[in-house]
Amino acid sequence: ETGVTQSPTHLIKTRGQQVTLRCSSQSGHNTVSWYQQALGQGPQFIFQYYREEENGRGNFPPRFSGLQFPNYSSELNVNALELDDSALYLCASSQTGHTEAFFGQGTRLTVV
Amino acid sequence: DQQVKQNSPSLSVQEGRISILNCDYTNSMFDYFLWYKKYPAEGPTFLISISSIKDKNEDGRFTVFLNKSAKHLSLHIVPSQPGDSAVYFCAASGPGQRAAGNKLTFGGGTRVLVKP
Repeated sequence: ETGVTQSPTHLIKTRGQQVTLRCSSQSGHNTVSWYQQALGQGPQFIFQYYREEENGRGNFPPRFSGLQFPNYSSELNVNALELDDSALYLCASSQTGHTEAFFGQGTRLTVV
Repeated sequence: DQQVKQNSPSLSVQEGRISILNCDYTNSMFDYFLWYKKYPAEGPTFLISISSIKDKNEDGRFTVFLNKSAKHLSLHIVPSQPGDSAVYFCAASGPGQRAAGNKLTFGGGTRVLVKP
């Protein structure tokens, strides 16, 4: 059974650019959530996907968007990058009816 | 509006002693609480959870206590070991969210250092 994997692990982008982050869910999990963790803070919920549909969104602007694929892998897209988007982006997978969410190692995004 | 708060940013404890981490929440609709541990350069790892219908849950060295009336929970680690040195996050989810795969609201974290 493979865990949650994210790619890339590190990324540097310029303000105004667009970025795509990827996540492979843990085997058997049908729900994926994305979180943003700024330095020194706890993770903040961005949005969740269940069966390829968005299933809830946190307080993030529309330039944060996502996709979930039939194999339950997922992408997080951020357009028009701002300096404040610099953070660790975490993907978590879970199975409906179960309690815990399992996290990947994260993608460290730096916007310069 | 921070709905989950961990008011102690850091904690230092001697190996073998008890570590007590605290967490307060404001949203009375939260019905499930979790603790995660995070090492540098790794994602958070699930430790232990508790439903709002319980007041205590124990798993080995880890025990979580929930006081609903005070909207407070705590994590006890006994005995503390050097490998427990990490950042610990308290998280909460609301009604129906477990069925939908958990949308978690996290606290800011407490950095624990266990001294040998």
